[in-house]
Amino acid sequence: DAGVIQSPRHEVTEMGQEVTLRCKPISGHNSLFWYRQTMMRGLELLIYFNNNVPIDDSGMPEDRFSAKMPNASFSTLKIQPSEPRDSAVYFCASVGGNYGYTFGSGTRLTVV
Amino acid sequence: RKEVEQDPGPFNVPEGATVAFNCTYSNSASQSFFWYRQDCRKEPKLLMSVYSSGNEDGRFTAQLNRASQYISLLIRDSKLSDSATYLCVVRADSGYALNFGKGTSLLVTP
Repeated sequence: DAGVIQSPRHEVTEMGQEVTLRCKPISGHNSLFWYRQTMMRGLELLIYFNNNVPIDDSGMPEDRFSAKMPNASFSTLKIQPSEPRDSAVYFCASVGGNYGYTFGSGTRLTVV
Repeated sequence: RKEVEQDPGPFNVPEGATVAFNCTYSNSASQSFFWYRQDCRKEPKLLMSVYSSGNEDGRFTAQLNRASQYISLLIRDSKLSDSATYLCVVRADSGYALNFGKGTSLLVTP
């Protein structure tokens, strides 16, 4: 089992550019979560999907953020346009039936 | 106010010491409780679940006090490899979403 796979590992982009983060959950896990981690705020839930359907997106900071899960094996988190305050580590996690979370290695985003 | 509060530390302790971390949570309807460990520049990983009766896993003991909405983690005989950030985590009353504390940093020194 390859675990939760996120790409890219690092992303440096200029303010105003579109950023797309990708996540492949563990096969058979039917819930997927996007979290953002900063020193100031810690880990914050942005959105989560159950069976590919968005269940709670109340953590998405604003309309510049959007997330999709077109199928059970792929999800994207898009920021358009990006701003310096979006700089953070973005984690994807998937969950199986025993509530066990598995996190991906994260994407470290820097917006300059 | 964050739903899960932790002392950020850092806790600097010598090898072999016993160290305890505490955490409080605000949602009395919370169902499940966990401690996660996060190494520097790595993803969080589950350390242990926390049960109402208290539970132990080797050198690690977790306790839950639902009346006080308080969770603790005790590490005995600290090892250098225990140096990490320890995240207190609470699952809300429905669904799988977890609320994370900001973490407590532990540094174990020789």
